[in-house]
Amino acid sequence: GQQVMQIPQYQHVQEGEDFTTYCNSSTTLSNIQWYKQRPGGHPVFLIQLVKSGEVKKQKRLTFQFGEAKKNSSLHITATQTTDVGTYFCAGRRGGSEKLVFGKGTKLTVNP
Amino acid sequence: DGGITQSPKYLFRKEGQNVTLSCEQNLNHDAMYWYRQDPGQGLRLIYYSQIVNDFQKGDIAEGYSVSREKKESFPLTVTSAQKNPTAFYLCASSRRLAGGRYEQYFGPGTRLTVT
Repeated sequence: GQQVMQIPQYQHVQEGEDFTTYCNSSTTLSNIQWYKQRPGGHPVFLIQLVKSGEVKKQKRLTFQFGEAKKNSSLHITATQTTDVGTYFCAGRRGGSEKLVFGKGTKLTVNP
Repeated sequence: DGGITQSPKYLFRKEGQNVTLSCEQNLNHDAMYWYRQDPGQGLRLIYYSQIVNDFQKGDIAEGYSVSREKKESFPLTVTSAQKNPTAFYLCASSRRLAGGRYEQYFGPGTRLTVT
């Protein structure tokens, strides 16, 4: 079945350092979404990408969707303590209502 | 994310009892989903429903049952057949937008502990 692999599983950075998490799918995706889950909370939608090679920015966050629509990345520039949490990618195949999640990258930021 | 409610936030049950988790949405979304999250793990799909009176098994449906009698409601029953029911249960709903995009939100979740 469809699998979405996400790396790294954990990332610890000093405040001000950059952070990147990568997502790879075994199949071509029609749509990829990114979520952030704070400790004790629920996943909160950040963004979705649908076009090959798409790049979107939200302040210090940059999201990319690969040309083959099989991989994606989230990059945070100059991390802050408010960035702490687990970042999940989730992908859909064309025509499917199922959203398959990666296992997430847990980010901790040392002030 | 607004518009999806799950209750209760915390639930405690004895082993061997069935328990039903509620999920209600007022977003007019057609599709609804149940996910399970274990500590330090990702989200695994239990069941999903694309339309009223219809639902499909996800990746880990064994020991669970659902119903979708109303568009707004998608309750999940954790039966005594589920071997490891203690987990964080998340409900979500979505609707398809133009251009292949989806609007999808999660509820606040229910933490179920079975002893």
